[in-house]
Amino acid sequence: DTGVSQNPRHKITKRGQNVTFRCDPISEHNRLYWYRQTLGQGPEFLTYFQNEAQLEKSRLLSDRFSAERPKGSFSTLEIQRTEQGDSAMYLCASSFGGAAFGSPLHFGNGTRLTVT
Amino acid sequence: GDSVTQMEGPVTLSEEAFLTINCTYTATGYPSLFWYVQYPGEGLQLLLKATKADDKGSNKGFEATYRKETTSFHLEKGSVQVSDSAVYFCAPAFQGGSEKLVFGKGTKLTVNP
Repeated sequence: DTGVSQNPRHKITKRGQNVTFRCDPISEHNRLYWYRQTLGQGPEFLTYFQNEAQLEKSRLLSDRFSAERPKGSFSTLEIQRTEQGDSAMYLCASSFGGAAFGSPLHFGNGTRLTVT
Repeated sequence: GDSVTQMEGPVTLSEEAFLTINCTYTATGYPSLFWYVQYPGEGLQLLLKATKADDKGSNKGFEATYRKETTSFHLEKGSVQVSDSAVYFCAPAFQGGSEKLVFGKGTKLTVNP
């Protein structure tokens, strides 16, 4: 179990630029989640994949955000035309089975985005 | 709708003091309940969990009991250590849909020697 891996750890970009983050989940996990965490707040859900299918998206996920999970393995989160309000820690988590039945989410260390 | 309310901090205690962090939820069903911890500079880690009423989750001296009648899952530790300084998050996983975790705002705990 190598854990959930996220790259890059930090990203600084100028407003208006596009950025892409990558998440490699634990290999046998079929569920993958993206969250966003701002300073002093709890993580907020963005989107969820089961295998390669994106099954739920939060209202927080504007049309500038897009996520993919080709082949049900790694996932990418792209933000187009970044805004200063996008500055946050972006967290990826994976699980095998549903959390409502006790399967915990395993989190990566996150990608910290700073938009200047 | 389904939601969680967590005691806000910060909380500052002396070593060996008793800790309680309150967490209550509102749900139409019976969620599984989790506590996660975030140590300084580190990622979110599962601390403990409970999946049904009256279950007690425990780990590293921390405990929490799933109370269906009060819809609560309060975190307790009898004697905190400096190394317990961290941010603690209560996170129910409600039934249906993605079964995502819904996080509370977090409680920052500082333990002084």
